[in-house]
Amino acid sequence: ELTQPPSVSVSPGQTASITCSGDNLRKKSVSWYQQKPGQSPVLVISHDAKRPSGIPERFSGSTSGNTATLTISGTQPVDESDYYCQAWASHSAVVFGGGTKLTVL
Amino acid sequence: QLHLVQSGAEVKKPGSSVTVSCKASGGTFGTYGITWVRQAPGQGLEWMGGIIPVFRTAKYAQRFQDRVTITADESTTTAYMELRSLMSDDTAVYYCARSDYGDYADHFYDMDVWGQGTTVTVSS
Repeated sequence: ELTQPPSVSVSPGQTASITCSGDNLRKKSVSWYQQKPGQSPVLVISHDAKRPSGIPERFSGSTSGNTATLTISGTQPVDESDYYCQAWASHSAVVFGGGTKLTVL
Repeated sequence: QLHLVQSGAEVKKPGSSVTVSCKASGGTFGTYGITWVRQAPGQGLEWMGGIIPVFRTAKYAQRFQDRVTITADESTTTAYMELRSLMSDDTAVYYCARSDYGDYADHFYDMDVWGQGTTVTVSS
């Protein structure tokens, strides 16, 4: 299981941090996806903490211990979305976190 | 640039089956994985299974193991997901996505190209 906070709020221009915790995450790589209402998910951070082409520099990813973190620096209103982390487990080739709704107030 | 186009919306009766297709164009198909993810109304993403076409091997989530079959046809660059014994709880948007896979093809990650989604409604 991957555990994410259901919601995170941030003011425009501030830094948003979305966590994802799970057993043995330190031994795995975590991908992060952004999903806006009615749209397909978009990969924003790849398993090696890199940004795919077209993803703004304000998105970054890191892992410490059993917690992975998606950080959005200088958050903009357009970043308001649902965010999902993804890894794998011994019993499943893919595991998603429950998702975090980011609100930019 | 790879593009994935899925088949259209479906309305099914409980107990029936549905097959959703995912046609790839404009890029490499067989050497990446194709994963299937669904999203029930107002819910999160749920992985169903995936296939690596060049290996012709599929992996499934435990909860769908007995009801889902994922296949891929390299000649038509199309992947398919069949879900059987449909229940109302299967009402969801179903997505296919291209993904990388681990060295031993034991896991998938970095789903970087997604289809547009297919709405499947199960109702009597």
